[in-house]
Amino acid sequence: DVKVTQSSRYLVKRTGEKVFLECVQDMDHENMFWYRQDPGLGLRLIYFSYDVKMKEKGDIPEGYSVSREKKERFSLILESASTNQTSMYLCASSFPTDGISYEQYFGPGTRLTVT
Amino acid sequence: DQQVKQNSPSLSVQEGRISILNCDYTNSMFDYFLWYKKYPAEGPTFLISISSIKDKNEDGRFTVFLNKSAKHLSLHIVPSQPGDSAVYFCAARSGNTPLVFGKGTRLSVIA
Repeated sequence: DVKVTQSSRYLVKRTGEKVFLECVQDMDHENMFWYRQDPGLGLRLIYFSYDVKMKEKGDIPEGYSVSREKKERFSLILESASTNQTSMYLCASSFPTDGISYEQYFGPGTRLTVT
Repeated sequence: DQQVKQNSPSLSVQEGRISILNCDYTNSMFDYFLWYKKYPAEGPTFLISISSIKDKNEDGRFTVFLNKSAKHLSLHIVPSQPGDSAVYFCAARSGNTPLVFGKGTRLSVIA
C-alpha cells in the first residue's frame, strides 16, 4: 500500500512565525505536490516537484516555498505565516505519466490555524 | 479561469437510489479524468478514472461516463449507501501536468 505521511495532523501557529510542513512518501514516487483545501474553493495547487532539487510553482505559490532534498520528502515552508494561510494542507505523490496510471496518492492532511 | 467545474456544491440522495455527480471541463487537451472521494479531516482517496479514449468505466457500484464532445463527465453511484456521504472531487490532466481539481460536490446519502 502506498503511504503518504504528513508530520502533523493539527498545527496552531502565530502570525509571522516560520512554519514547516513535512511530507514523506514510501513508494519511490518521482512526483510530489502540495495543495491547500478551503471551503468552496476545492483543492488548489501550491507547488510541485518532479525530481529531487526541482520545484515548480503551482496556481497559488505566493507566501510559500518548498524544499526537496531527498526523493521521498517534500517540505512546504510558510516564510511568515498569515491568518489567510489558515487552511487544510494536503501533500500528494505519484509516478510520472506512463500512459497507464495518473493517480495521485494523498496524505491525511494538516489542518493549520494561524492566529 | 476554472478549467474543471462542478456546478453543484451539494447533493442529497435517498439510500438505495442512484447518485449522479456532474463535472464539466473547458480544456480540450485533458486526456485523463479522475474522481476522488474525501471524508472530513482525511486526505482525498482515488475512486475511479477514465481515459479520453473511452466513454465509460465501471468499478462495482461506481461508473464514470465521459462525453468528449460536450466536455462533460459524470459519476454514477448505484445503489447509494450512507457510507458514500463525502465530498467528491472531479480532476483532470493532460500529459504529465499536475491534476486540476474541481471545487467538489458534497454528497449526502439519507437512510
